[in-house]
Amino acid sequence: TQLLEQSPQFLSIQEGENLTVYCNSSSVFSSLQWYRQEPGEGPVLLVTVVTGGEVKKLKRLTFQFGDARKDSSLHITAAQPGDTGLYLCAGLYNFNKFYFGSGTKLNVKP
Amino acid sequence: GAGVSQSPRYKVAKRGQDVALRCDPISGHVSLFWYQQALGQGPEFLTYFQNEAQLDKSGLPSDRFFAERPEGSVSTLKIQRTQQEDSAVYLCASSLRPRGGGEKLFFGSGTQLSVL
Repeated sequence: TQLLEQSPQFLSIQEGENLTVYCNSSSVFSSLQWYRQEPGEGPVLLVTVVTGGEVKKLKRLTFQFGDARKDSSLHITAAQPGDTGLYLCAGLYNFNKFYFGSGTKLNVKP
Repeated sequence: GAGVSQSPRYKVAKRGQDVALRCDPISGHVSLFWYQQALGQGPEFLTYFQNEAQLDKSGLPSDRFFAERPEGSVSTLKIQRTQQEDSAVYLCASSLRPRGGGEKLFFGSGTQLSVL
């Protein structure tokens, strides 16, 4: 059973376009993290959100945690080829264990 | 070291062979996690160590999988009698604090295991 569902699974866009990736669950999470993973490497943490409704910005990336702490979104403005990678959300459940979503594979074409 | 180091990077095993995968976490990190990542999927939790104690092994898929961290630093994941379904990337991650502290996980580059 996948605790966290990510959509879309795949996204191929042109440089300069905007995009949003979603991470949804029926469960409540203590906190939620977003990671980016490049081929042949481990995931690298981008951000942690803790409070329901919290919004964090990291340059062109905007992360939002849902009010009920069950879902999150990642918005990228003016995507660049360097943003290409696998984006993973991970929810901390019961302050105990991180569950990862299945990932969104993003390809930004120059 | 500066980051989490895993070895080998690639391992090809014949079905039925035993394998051992090594993880060197960041020095001083209390928590160590093993994850299994199938192609195109997110990592799936296998097991968790706090120092030398294995506090959670609920994600190990069968009794062929065994992990240890005897001195609270280096960890080894052993898979006995490998099967084709064991083919995956095995990721190790460490964090400074015990689990549940909202920790930042630092991942290694993984070991890609292929069972023929």
